[in-house]
Amino acid sequence: EVQLVESGGGLVQPGGSLRLSCAASGFSFSNYWMHWFRQRPGKGLLWVSRIKNDGSIVTYADSVKGRFTISRDNAKNTLYLQMNSLRAEDTAVYYCARLFWGDYFEATWGQGTLVTVSS
Amino acid sequence: DIVMTQSPDSLAVSLGERATINCKSSQSVFYSSNNKNYLVWYQQKPGQPPKLLVYWASTRESGVPDRFSGSGSGTDFTLTISSLQAEDVAVYYCQQYFSTPLTFGGGTKVEIK
Repeated sequence: EVQLVESGGGLVQPGGSLRLSCAASGFSFSNYWMHWFRQRPGKGLLWVSRIKNDGSIVTYADSVKGRFTISRDNAKNTLYLQMNSLRAEDTAVYYCARLFWGDYFEATWGQGTLVTVSS
Repeated sequence: DIVMTQSPDSLAVSLGERATINCKSSQSVFYSSNNKNYLVWYQQKPGQPPKLLVYWASTRESGVPDRFSGSGSGTDFTLTISSLQAEDVAVYYCQQYFSTPLTFGGGTKVEIK
């Protein structure tokens, strides 16, 4: 079974840092681009970042560029999101997701981890 | 960035009746080289991640009931629930994957009248 499990969320003060992890299982992690999304409480979905299967290409939303860093460890089947200089508006549930499109489309999402930025 | 605009923000439909959700993109998400529209529809229930319903604008995901259907091309798309069931109460999102940043509509909350 394809599974993604996020961890690392919690309460952090403004200006602080947090690293999220996403453990992947049930598929060949090193073959897929991976993504991070977020959803502020009661709000819609927002794409945050993506990383190519070999880590050679990364892309960010403007709202997190320069503050967040996506990375992966294919040997550990794990995706990461290092979040620095956190702001109140970064408070959200963060989801990792495997999205694949070619002849067909696949979407697998984790259950999410809540990040709360507050003093 | 491609802006996705959904309408309505919410709608209340009687059980067994039709629900129609619209999604408009600020530029075409149709890729002529493969004749596909790069648009998906998700369903999200409280406390859960999004669930894929439709991809390529009109291809139903395996296991999704056939009362859900997607249509449209270019910049205008529709998700139709032909006969609303109680378990369909949720928020529905369209999302384009034509270009980065991937962008979502604001969501449509579907409730029972």
